[in-house]
Amino acid sequence: DAGVIQSPRHEVTEMGQEVTLRCKPISGHDYLFWYRQTMMRGLELLIYFNNNVPIDDSGMPEDRFSAKMPNASFSTLKIQPSEPRDSAVYFCASSPREGLGSQPQHFGDGTRLSIL
Amino acid sequence: QKEVEQNSGPLSVPEGAIASLNCTYSDRGSQSFFWYRQYSGKSPELIMSIYSNGDKEDGRFTAQLNKASQYVSLLIRDSQPSDSATYLCAVTRYGGSQGNLIFGKGTKLSVKP
Repeated sequence: DAGVIQSPRHEVTEMGQEVTLRCKPISGHDYLFWYRQTMMRGLELLIYFNNNVPIDDSGMPEDRFSAKMPNASFSTLKIQPSEPRDSAVYFCASSPREGLGSQPQHFGDGTRLSIL
Repeated sequence: QKEVEQNSGPLSVPEGAIASLNCTYSDRGSQSFFWYRQYSGKSPELIMSIYSNGDKEDGRFTAQLNKASQYVSLLIRDSQPSDSATYLCAVTRYGGSQGNLIFGKGTKLSVKP
């Protein structure tokens, strides 16, 4: 069974450039999450989708960040323009619909983003 | 007050010992609790979930939940060097919605041969 697939694995770009991160969730999962991880702040939820619909984007740091999920098998996180403080590891995760309790989230390998 | 707190460590234990990892949370209404393991440079990997008070065992791992004390712990028996990693505690906020999962910053565990 394929897990959550993210691309690219590494991205190095200059400040001001547009960055697009991609994610393919596990087939059949209803929820998709975008996280950012840094040493200082740990793992932070940026936005999540349920059945392709954005539910909560309160974690998106500012208008430079946007996320889309055009269908059940694909999502993008875009940063435009990028800044050095955006450097972090970005994870995508997915989970099935809730049962009696919240379902665990399955993480992709992450994109290590460096903005110079 | 931070929502999910963990001692950052590092916690160092000898091989074969029991490693005890602790987590406290602030939302008394939290309903679902998870432990993730994250090796350096890798993604978080789920190792345990627990939803009701008491102990839950899975191989060498035991999760313990005490909702009255707002405390969840992970015990690793017969610790191995391969258990060396950062362990993240994750807790849902009241309401239990999938998107309300809050992660602690993790405890770094080092198992010495």
